Amino acid sequence: DAGVIQSPRHEVTEMGQEVTLRCKPISGHNSLFWYRQTMMRGLELLIYFNNNVPIDDSGMPEDRFSAKMPNASFSTLKIQPSEPRDSAVYFCASSFKVDTEAFFGQGTRLTVV
Amino acid sequence: GENVGLHLPTLSVQEGDNSIINCAYSNSASDYFIWYKQESGKGPQFIIDIRSNMDKRQGQRVTVLLNKTVKHLSLQIAATQPGDSAVYFCAEFITGGFKTIFGAGTRLFVKA
Repeated sequence: DAGVIQSPRHEVTEMGQEVTLRCKPISGHNSLFWYRQTMMRGLELLIYFNNNVPIDDSGMPEDRFSAKMPNASFSTLKIQPSEPRDSAVYFCASSFKVDTEAFFGQGTRLTVV
Repeated sequence: GENVGLHLPTLSVQEGDNSIINCAYSNSASDYFIWYKQESGKGPQFIIDIRSNMDKRQGQRVTVLLNKTVKHLSLQIAATQPGDSAVYFCAEFITGGFKTIFGAGTRLFVKA
């Protein structure tokens, strides 16, 4: 298995533009997580899916952020409109069950200018 | 005001020495704990875990100790190697909350 695959690896966009980050979890994993990592706030959980259903989105900063998981092998995190303070590394992770270790992707480094 | 980033605790050790990285967790109800290692430019990687019904667990060159009385977790790395240089995170899982909470991390430098 190639592990958790995220795309793109790097994204530079202008303020106000829509940004879509993509994630392919490890096959057979039932839980998927989106995290954001910044120097200011460290690693923050944004949203968690179990069996493709969003369970906890309390970490999503505001309505500009949305996440979907249309099937077990794909998830997206969308920011619309993007702002400079959204600049961060966004990680997707998956796990077999919610209370087992998570496997992280390589991350998407987002820069909003 | 001026933005100030997180100040990560830093541990510097000589190659071959043992390392001990400490972590205080926040919730006495947490019942599952994980140590992750994050190298520059990569995502966090699982190292070892422990459940609250244990106080010690050993892996290859790593040992995790759990003290529930004082809500303290430690990661011991034996014979530290240059490849161990990274940021280490402890994470606590809160049953019922369905989320894992990560600590701020500790940066480990290994001097050759």
